[in-house]
Amino acid sequence: EAQVTQNPRYLITVTGKKLTVTCSQNMNHEYMSWYRQDPGLGLRQIYYSMNVEVTDKGDVPEGYKVSRKEKRNFPLILESPSPNQTSLYFCASSMTGATEAFFGQGTRLTVV
Amino acid sequence: GNSVTQMEGPVTLSEEAFLTINCTYTATGYPSLFWYVQYPGEGLQLLLKATKADDKGSNKGFEATYRKETTSFHLEKGSVQVSDSAVYFCALLIQGAQKLVFGQGTRLTINP
Repeated sequence: EAQVTQNPRYLITVTGKKLTVTCSQNMNHEYMSWYRQDPGLGLRQIYYSMNVEVTDKGDVPEGYKVSRKEKRNFPLILESPSPNQTSLYFCASSMTGATEAFFGQGTRLTVV
Repeated sequence: GNSVTQMEGPVTLSEEAFLTINCTYTATGYPSLFWYVQYPGEGLQLLLKATKADDKGSNKGFEATYRKETTSFHLEKGSVQVSDSAVYFCALLIQGAQKLVFGQGTRLTINP
């Protein structure tokens, strides 16, 4: 089954404690991205990757890092989480940046 | 810049009612337009899309027509069901821009 898998689904952490949210896709897609969803703001892109070792900033990259060492994986790293990063996060993948995006089920992160 | 404006919610209807969720966009190029749906506790799923002016996207009884003259992509359904209760997102994708631009989402609740 074609899918994008994120882990964990729920995470509560404390300010400053480094965390990683994993994302994996099994569709051999080149393009992957991370979004955060906040009430009244829709989804905003954090980072995207056009292929292995190629990443770039989206609209709200501050406080986040990503890496793309393998085509199927695109982890999101918060080196020093802060409460304003409390949000619902989605990973997405697509064949290219101009085609339909497939989304993971989301990770609800709470930073206290 | 590129932006999407959606009808404000939440929207509450009775089963079998007619649904319209308005969506207008501003774009510097020639965007593709999408409606995504988010069911409770799940990620976003593509509902329908249109890639050029006057195209009509349709799926599961939902329809939307790409209107370049009014820069709109309104979502319609003739007879809604309780199972249509979800959050609906309008989005645009600029060719080569490598990201989806989302509206803020419209929460739809259908009462039996």
